[in-house]
Amino acid sequence: ETGVTQSPTHLIKTRGQQVTLRCSSQSGHNTVSWYQQALGQGPQFIFQYYREEENGRGNFPPRFSGLQFPNYSSELNVNALELDDSALYLCASSLGTSGGPAGEQFFGPGTRLTVL
Amino acid sequence: DAKTTQPPSMDCAEGRAANLPCNHSTISGNEYVYWYRQIHSQGPQYIIHGLKNNETNEMASLIITEDRKSSTLILPHATLRDTAVYYCIVKGAQKLVFGQGTRLTINP
Repeated sequence: ETGVTQSPTHLIKTRGQQVTLRCSSQSGHNTVSWYQQALGQGPQFIFQYYREEENGRGNFPPRFSGLQFPNYSSELNVNALELDDSALYLCASSLGTSGGPAGEQFFGPGTRLTVL
Repeated sequence: DAKTTQPPSMDCAEGRAANLPCNHSTISGNEYVYWYRQIHSQGPQYIIHGLKNNETNEMASLIITEDRKSSTLILPHATLRDTAVYYCIVKGAQKLVFGQGTRLTINP
C-alpha cells in the first residue's frame, strides 16, 4: 500500500509568481484535502476534493485553486504569490468525506514553500 | 466545528504514561474526537478517534467523559520518539480543524 506523496519537497518562489503543488493520494482513497501550515501554527484547511469536485473550502482567497484527477491525485495552484504564502502545504487523503471512521485522513510529508 | 482547548505544553518522563487532556465542551452528538500528532517538520499522523466509548489501539488509549465534553489521550509507556505536537480535533464533515495543540516533550 503506497502512502500519500507530495512534490516537490521544497520550493522557492518570488512574490507575484504562480506555483503548482502536487499530491498523490493513498491507494484506494477518493478524497484529497489541502492544508496550509504557517510556522508555529496548526494546519489550516484550504479545500477538499471528492471525486474530482471541490467539496468544501476554508477561508482562503480565490487565488488558491485546485484540481483532482480521475486517479484521485490532486494539484494545488496558488497565483500571485504573497510573502505570507510561505508555509508548509500538506495534502491528506481519505476514503469518503464524512466524519467518523471513513473520514480518517492520512497526511503526506508536505511541500515547504518559501516566497521571497 | 466544535473548538478544542489543550494545554500548550507538557513534559513526561520516558517510560511513564503521558496523559494529554482536551476540552471540547461544544461538541455535538454526531462529532467524533480525533487525535493526531506531528513530529517536527513532518505531516500529521493519525493516532486514534472515538465517539462515545473509550478506545484503545497499538499507539494509545482515548478516554472520553460521559458528557463528551472532554477527553484524555494516554500514551502508556512514552518514549523519546513520542516527542511531538499533539492535536485534539472534533470532526464533523470534511475538514479537520486544528488548534495550537500540546507540545509534548518526553525527557530521558
